[in-house]
Amino acid sequence: AQKITQTQPGMFVQEKEAVTLDCTYDTSDPSYGLFWYKQPSSGEMIFLIYQGSYDQQNATEGRYSLNFQKARKSANLVISASQLGDSAMYFCAMRETNTGTASKLTFGTGTRLQVTL
Amino acid sequence: DVKVTQSSRYLVKRTGEKVFLECVQDMDHENMFWYRQDPGLGLRLIYFSYDVKMKEKGDIPEGYSVSREKKERFSLILESASTNQTSMYLCASSYRGRSTEAFFGQGTRLTVV
Repeated sequence: AQKITQTQPGMFVQEKEAVTLDCTYDTSDPSYGLFWYKQPSSGEMIFLIYQGSYDQQNATEGRYSLNFQKARKSANLVISASQLGDSAMYFCAMRETNTGTASKLTFGTGTRLQVTL
Repeated sequence: DVKVTQSSRYLVKRTGEKVFLECVQDMDHENMFWYRQDPGLGLRLIYFSYDVKMKEKGDIPEGYSVSREKKERFSLILESASTNQTSMYLCASSYRGRSTEAFFGQGTRLTVV
């Protein structure tokens, strides 16, 4: 079964608009972390934002915010005021706390975002 | 700045060759990971390591092995390369703990002919 599901292979958004990238996850671990990464065409992986499973508030980092709905097991990324430089591949990832060993970091299939004028 | 360095940016190998992909990190991270990235499939975890000489299988370990003899170095080994192992390989490292983000290398594009 997929641990991380990103159902939008591609998205378009106009410059200055907000966009939501969907991510749902599956885990039985009560303690986990959720991450979003950006991968521009250059190929580097850039960490954007983190949400812990016990965090009471939704995470925010500048124009990025995470809409965390624990009961629905979703962790959607919201980008406000989109810019041309936001055009990239976006990956959702989950880190589960495996008892006594390293915590596995699992990624989704990604969403390609294209920002248009 | 955290640095994760992969030994090669591009590699071309022949079918059946033994291939070594090297990754070095300079942040004293406990955890290291190897992923392969293919279009439409995202990043798939091959192996990860949480300490020297310790390793765990990821989701697609078949055809691969790993070695971690020193804390800063994590090697991915393709025992007998096949064309279906043509891919982008990404190494990452992180501190222990669920809240710590992983830092990635620049990737190695491996082509097996």
